[in-house]
Amino acid sequence: GAGVSQSPRYKVAKRGQDVALRCDPISGHVSLFWYQQALGQGPEFLTYFQNEAQLDKSGLPSDRFFAERPEGSVSTLKIQRTQQEDSAVYLCASSPNRGNQPQHFGDGTRLSIL
Amino acid sequence: AQRVTQPEKLLSVFKGAPVELKCNYSYSGSPELFWYVQYSRQRLQLLLRHISRESIKGFTADLNKGETSFHLKKPFAQEEDSAMYYCALSGQGGSEKLVFGKGTKLTVNP
Repeated sequence: GAGVSQSPRYKVAKRGQDVALRCDPISGHVSLFWYQQALGQGPEFLTYFQNEAQLDKSGLPSDRFFAERPEGSVSTLKIQRTQQEDSAVYLCASSPNRGNQPQHFGDGTRLSIL
Repeated sequence: AQRVTQPEKLLSVFKGAPVELKCNYSYSGSPELFWYVQYSRQRLQLLLRHISRESIKGFTADLNKGETSFHLKKPFAQEEDSAMYYCALSGQGGSEKLVFGKGTKLTVNP
């Protein structure tokens, strides 16, 4: 079956623009996670959904970052008024159930802010 | 605070040599530990987790609670093992988020 799908794969935006990144989790997966991976670093947690409920958003770096999963499937990560420090790879992961099931990762979206 | 430390950014060995990728963690409680691997041009994927006690692709990792370590080992490295390796932890029964180390790039030379 299909894995986690993220789009676009690459996104270039000018500083100050808004961007939207999409994640299609594995069908039926309850849990969905967003991570940010800066160059040379490991992924860092941003936010977590269980179905449509956003249960943890403690990793979102500022109020310019917003995530949603309105129907408990596809999720969108939105970044408003982008800054250069937002340049990173944004990873989405999903897992079947609540609890420590292995997370399955997408290929990520590489965001470059000019 | 939850923290994962991978002290080696780069590790280079010859084919057939033993390899050990170090991972130390800081966590108040009983975490679950994982090793994820990212091969060139591929997505991050789970290699192994401590609760399953499996050996995957010849790799093993033992959780040492006294030393708060979860080192990844393989007795005979292969060229196809060259990749980026990330150690990660999560809490049990509550916070499922993963906390990653910065990663170790393993190169296995012919």
